[in-house]
Amino acid sequence: QVQLVQSGAEVKKPGASVKLSCKASGDIFINHDINWVRQAPGQGLEWMGWMNSNSGNAGHAQKFQGRVTMTRNTSTSTAYMELSSLRSEDTAVYFCARVSPVRTRTLYFFDNWGQGTLVTVSS
Amino acid sequence: SYELTQPPSLSVSPGQAASITCSGDKLGERYVCWYQQKPGQSPVLVIYQDNKRPSGIPERFSGSNSGNTATLTISGTQAMDEADYYCQAWDNSQVIFGGGTKVTVL
Repeated sequence: QVQLVQSGAEVKKPGASVKLSCKASGDIFINHDINWVRQAPGQGLEWMGWMNSNSGNAGHAQKFQGRVTMTRNTSTSTAYMELSSLRSEDTAVYFCARVSPVRTRTLYFFDNWGQGTLVTVSS
Repeated sequence: SYELTQPPSLSVSPGQAASITCSGDKLGERYVCWYQQKPGQSPVLVIYQDNKRPSGIPERFSGSNSGNTATLTISGTQAMDEADYYCQAWDNSQVIFGGGTKVTVL
C-alpha cells in the first residue's frame, strides 16, 4: 500500500517561508507526479501544483506564481513544497497527493494522499 | 479558466439514493473523478475516469458524465457516507476541483 507521510504542523509569521515535506514509502515515488493541494479552514480543496519525482519538472497554479517552489530528493523518496511571503490567507492544511499510474494525457487524478500538514500564519 | 460547479449541500435519508452533480462547460469531454472527505481526514478517491471504482470502494458508489454534467450517485446511502464530496477534472495541465458538496444523512 502506498503511503505518503507529511511533516508536522508549522506556525509562521507573515512574510516568512515554510517548507513542507512528503515522504513516500517504497518505490511508489519513482516517476510519479506528486501534487500539492491545500484546504483553508472550512473551505474546499485548492490545487497548488505538481512535480514529477523523476525529472523534477514542475508546474503550478497561476495564483502561486513566484511564491511556490517544488523540489524532491530521490534518494529519500521525499517531495518538498516551499511557500514564501506567507500571509494569513495561507493558513490551511496542505496535502501532498500522488497521481495514479493509470494516468494518460487527459486522465489525471490522485490515488493516494498524505495526512496533511497544518500551516498557521499569524503575527 | 475552467470551473466546476457543485451544489453546496445535499440531504438524504438513510437507504435513499443521493445524486451529487458537478457542472462545467463540455464536461462530458473530460474525465471526472470524485473524492470523499470526512472531517479531519484526507480525501479518498471514490470514482475515477467518470465511472470506475477503486478497489475497496463499495458498489453503492457510481458515476456518470455526459454533456455538461457529471454525477456521483450513492445508492442506499448509509450514515457512514456523510461527508464532503469533491469532483475533479484536468484542464490545460491544471487540476480543477469543484467547490464541494456536503452530504448530510438524516
